Amino acid sequence: EAQVTQNPRYLITVTGKKLTVTCSQNMNHEYMSWYRQDPGLGLRQIYYSMNVEVTDKGDVPEGYKVSRKEKRNFPLILESPSPNQTSLYFCASSLAGTLGYEQYFGPGTRLTVT
Amino acid sequence: GDSVTQMEGPVTLSEEAFLTINCTYTATGYPSLFWYVQYPGEGLQLLLKATKADDKGSNKGFEATYRKETTSFHLEKGSVQVSDSAVYFCALSDRNTDKLIFGTGTRLQVFP
Repeated sequence: EAQVTQNPRYLITVTGKKLTVTCSQNMNHEYMSWYRQDPGLGLRQIYYSMNVEVTDKGDVPEGYKVSRKEKRNFPLILESPSPNQTSLYFCASSLAGTLGYEQYFGPGTRLTVT
Repeated sequence: GDSVTQMEGPVTLSEEAFLTINCTYTATGYPSLFWYVQYPGEGLQLLLKATKADDKGSNKGFEATYRKETTSFHLEKGSVQVSDSAVYFCALSDRNTDKLIFGTGTRLQVFP
């Protein structure tokens, strides 16, 4: 089954404790991205990757890191989480970019930072 | 910069009612336009899309027409069902930056 998986689905952590949210897709997609969803703000892009070893900042990259060492994986790293990073996070992938291409979304990771 | 504006929700309807969710956009050039749907506890799924002016996207009884003259992409359905209850996001893809920009989402609640 074609899918995007994220882990964990739920995470409660404390300020400053490094964490990684994993994302993996099995569709051989070139493009992958991370979004955060907050009430009243819709989805905002954090980082995206056009291909292996190619990543770029989205609209809200501060406090986040990513890497793309393999085509299927695109982990999101929070080196020192803060309460303002409490949010619902989605990973997405597509064949090649966003213009005209369907984005396939993971189920989401709900992160709470206390 | 590019932006998408959606009507605020929630939109509350009875089953079999007609649905319209308004979406307007601001963009330089000619973006692709999308509607995504998010069911409770799930990620977003593509509902329909249109890639050029006057294109009509359709799926599962939903329709939206890319109107360049009014910069709009309103979502319509003739007869909603309880199972259509979800959050609907309008989005555009910018040709210059290849980024996907979302509206804030509109919650639809359909009652029997």
